Amino acid sequence: SYVLTQPPSVSVAPGQTARITCGGNNIGSKSVHWYQQKPGQAPVLVVYDDSDRPSGIPERFSGSNSGNTATLTISRVEAGDEADYYCQVWDSSSDHHYVFGTGTKVTVL
Amino acid sequence: EVQLVESGGGLVQPGGSLRLSCAASGFTFSSYWMHWVRQAPGKGLVWVSRINSDGSSTSYADSVKGRFTISRDNAKNTLYLQMNSLRAEDTAVYYCARDPRPGVAEYFQHWGQGTLVTVSS
Repeated sequence: SYVLTQPPSVSVAPGQTARITCGGNNIGSKSVHWYQQKPGQAPVLVVYDDSDRPSGIPERFSGSNSGNTATLTISRVEAGDEADYYCQVWDSSSDHHYVFGTGTKVTVL
Repeated sequence: EVQLVESGGGLVQPGGSLRLSCAASGFTFSSYWMHWVRQAPGKGLVWVSRINSDGSSTSYADSVKGRFTISRDNAKNTLYLQMNSLRAEDTAVYYCARDPRPGVAEYFQHWGQGTLVTVSS
């Protein structure tokens, strides 16, 4: 089955830029989606189709995808961005279809 | 406003059964594929199952295949997950989730608040 690998944690100072990677075999050929999850809350979609943002998501959240790595970038990080972030793809070659990454805890210093 | 409200979670013994429900409102339920996603305590998100808009097609993760059954009642705007032969490793918060729009089934735009299932003796 398809595997998505994320770093367990990323630390960033307020106002700086956080980059969260999501590695997968030829992930650049798939559409990648990103979710933010704060403690005790349901996940929230922050980026879909590699780089699009749902309405209501700040422009500070952006995404890219190429080769074997997709990246979620959070610019001008705020304390409220502290959360777990998960990447996700739809794997049409697998009967399981929906694969999540291992998750990354973003800590705002 | 799209709303998804799960219910039915609780404490169950290993080998027992439980049925989860997800009441949907704010959209045309019968037009959307629906999913269950779970999260064990302190762990990541794991997709469990999905059902197409009319209930004629379903899919499951290997870990629950043969034990869990997803279904829906479009007249009642409700999604279900029947869980049998429960194991300790099924302990998790279970979320129902909806696709972004009809015909697009690649990611999850809307999520419920989740319901906790604990499998323990």
